[in-house]
Amino acid sequence: ILNVEQSPQSLHVQEGDSTNFTCSFPSSNFYALHWYRWETAKSPEALFVMTLNGDEKKKGRISATLNTKEGYSYLYIKGSQPEDSATYLCAPRENAGNMLTFGGGTRLMVKP
Amino acid sequence: DGGITQSPKYLFRKEGQNVTLSCEQNLNHDAMYWYRQDPGQGLRLIYYSQIVNDFQKGDIAEGYSVSREKKESFPLTVTSAQKNPTAFYLCASISWNYGYTFGSGTRLTVV
Repeated sequence: ILNVEQSPQSLHVQEGDSTNFTCSFPSSNFYALHWYRWETAKSPEALFVMTLNGDEKKKGRISATLNTKEGYSYLYIKGSQPEDSATYLCAPRENAGNMLTFGGGTRLMVKP
Repeated sequence: DGGITQSPKYLFRKEGQNVTLSCEQNLNHDAMYWYRQDPGQGLRLIYYSQIVNDFQKGDIAEGYSVSREKKESFPLTVTSAQKNPTAFYLCASISWNYGYTFGSGTRLTVV
């Protein structure tokens, strides 16, 4: 079982604040890192798939960076909005397998 | 539209009863997965199947069983041996480029 840690576990911010959270994972046998956004009562939605060290991905106000050598990824949200409230999950994938191991998630709540 | 359909959305189980959760996909994905989520915890893998007629135990397979007779279908049975079945269950399939596609989940409650 991969040890995947996400921090913080939960986060409360005001509308307009920028925020970031961390995903830590074993750097050995790394193949890819997936980020998901999971809103209450909906299915998790894929945000990014990242594979290369130094990768940066962006989708609107959300961006992510990847450091495979030290085994971490950051997710940034610029100017948080109430609709950004969700749980953000990261999941590394080893070698070329298709198994994802999920972290515990960071629950973000954005107050208007 | 392609996707994954889970049913039912809510399920109530009596003590000692087996129940089956349905998962169907029309994405033509080979690999399918069942996860469980408990309050305040992440997703834990129950069972997965890479191809038809083959499946493997995940991290918390005890008290569960699965079958994979068709590519499109991967039902999960929660048996009476599962002592704490109340949880949210998610089914997923995977594409190499985009990662998992998830169903909308089934919330199982023991009454």
